[in-house]
Amino acid sequence: KAGVTQTPRYLIKTRGQQVTLSCSPISGHRSVSWYQQTPGQGLQFLFEYFSETQRNKGNFPGRFSGRQFSNSRSEMNVSTLELGDSALYLCASAGVSMTYNEQFFGPGTRLTVL
Amino acid sequence: DAKTTQPNSMESNEEEPVHLPCNHSTISGTDYIHWYRQLPSQGPEYVIHGLTSNVNNRMASLAIAEDRKSSTLILHRATLRDAAVYYCILRDRGSQGNLIFGKGTKLSVKP
Repeated sequence: KAGVTQTPRYLIKTRGQQVTLSCSPISGHRSVSWYQQTPGQGLQFLFEYFSETQRNKGNFPGRFSGRQFSNSRSEMNVSTLELGDSALYLCASAGVSMTYNEQFFGPGTRLTVL
Repeated sequence: DAKTTQPNSMESNEEEPVHLPCNHSTISGTDYIHWYRQLPSQGPEYVIHGLTSNVNNRMASLAIAEDRKSSTLILHRATLRDAAVYYCILRDRGSQGNLIFGKGTKLSVKP
C-alpha cells in the first residue's frame, strides 16, 4: 500500500508569511504526528492528531497549529514565519493505537524561510 | 520518557556485523526500547522494538541486557544502504503519540 505522502516537498517563504503543509497518512491509519527537524535541535515533536482531535502537543509556540480531517489527512500551519522555522517538517502515521505501534514517516517538506 | 545515551558515530565495513549500543540506565519497567533509523534525505523508519527478551526481524536483532539498562542493535551484515543515523528511543507502554528522539548514532559503512 502507498506510504505517507507530504506536499509540497520543498517550499521557500519569506519572514512574516504563513505556510500550510499537507500530509496524507497510510490508508486506514487514524493517527498523524508532526515533527520538526533542524541541524541544531534534531527531531522535535510538534503535535499529534487522532480521529480529528489533537491528542498530544510538543513545546512549540502557538504560531504552529494543525488539524486533521475526517479522512485522516492532516495539515499543519505556521503563521508569521521566522528564520528559525527553516527546517524539515516530517509527518508520521500509525495505526489505530499510537502507543507502541511503529510510526511510518513521510519524506518530509523542506521549508526555507528567507 | 527516560533518556538514552548513544555514541555520536560509528564506522563499519561492508558485510561485517555492526553492534550499535544504547544506554538507558533510568529505564522503567513499562518502557519499551525502540530503534528507528534515518537514511540520508529520508524520513525515519522503524527498525525494531522490544521489552525484555531479545528480538529478531528481517532488518536487525535487538539484544537487551538482563537488567534492561542497556541494549544493542545488531545488523548482521552491514551494507552500504545501512549507512544512516540510528535512534534508540524509550517509550512507556501507556504513552501515546510522540517519539522523543535523541541525537542518535551516525553509522558509516565502508566498502
